[in-house]
Amino acid sequence: DSGVTQTPKHLITATGQRVTLRCSPRSGDLSVYWYQQSLDQGLQFLIHYYNGEERAKGNILERFSAQQFPDLHSELNLSSLELGDSALYFCASRKTGGSYNEQFFGPGTRLTVL
Amino acid sequence: GENVEQHPSTLSVQEGDSAVIKCTYSDSASNYFPWYKQELGKGPQLIIDIRSNVGEKKDQRIAVTLNKTAKHFSLHITETQPEDSAVYFCAAHLPGNTPLVFGKGTRLSVIA
Repeated sequence: DSGVTQTPKHLITATGQRVTLRCSPRSGDLSVYWYQQSLDQGLQFLIHYYNGEERAKGNILERFSAQQFPDLHSELNLSSLELGDSALYFCASRKTGGSYNEQFFGPGTRLTVL
Repeated sequence: GENVEQHPSTLSVQEGDSAVIKCTYSDSASNYFPWYKQELGKGPQLIIDIRSNVGEKKDQRIAVTLNKTAKHFSLHITETQPEDSAVYFCAAHLPGNTPLVFGKGTRLSVIA
């Protein structure tokens, strides 16, 4: 158990809908990273938040947005969903105080868009 | 930006044999190289990492080597067991506020 939690574990929805994925980082970690993993694909970086502020963006669609709240949990919002958005979505938290980018992943949310 | 290539994409070994997965990176400034193991239905788990000031690191049956000149690093698993079957990802990190860049993964199957 990495200490990172994600809810829900599974999500099934229809095209055009909007969903929110939730992540709680490890206790004491200030950074949250979001990744998308499509079938047989690697981990695509979406966005990084540190202590409530956006720090970096990767290949994140304009239909997607995220935020990090004062209690450090983060939410990834996906709107106008398309079939191609079906994927596993992971968040990871970075060890605070470490000199290197040690990231610990949550169990993921499997999103299925029908 | 950084780019990471990982080979092979699939690897099958007999139980007890060794497995080697190789990655190359493009930016010589990268200084941190973690390896993750992802079992079916689970999130990636950090299993070992190496920093650019070290050439080799070992933890029980797994080891990682780094060749900075050639810009490649490898994961070695000895005495493989069926529970080693999983997808393994390498990654590289540039100093500063940059994300990890992952390879595309290697699906390892250990045949009993």
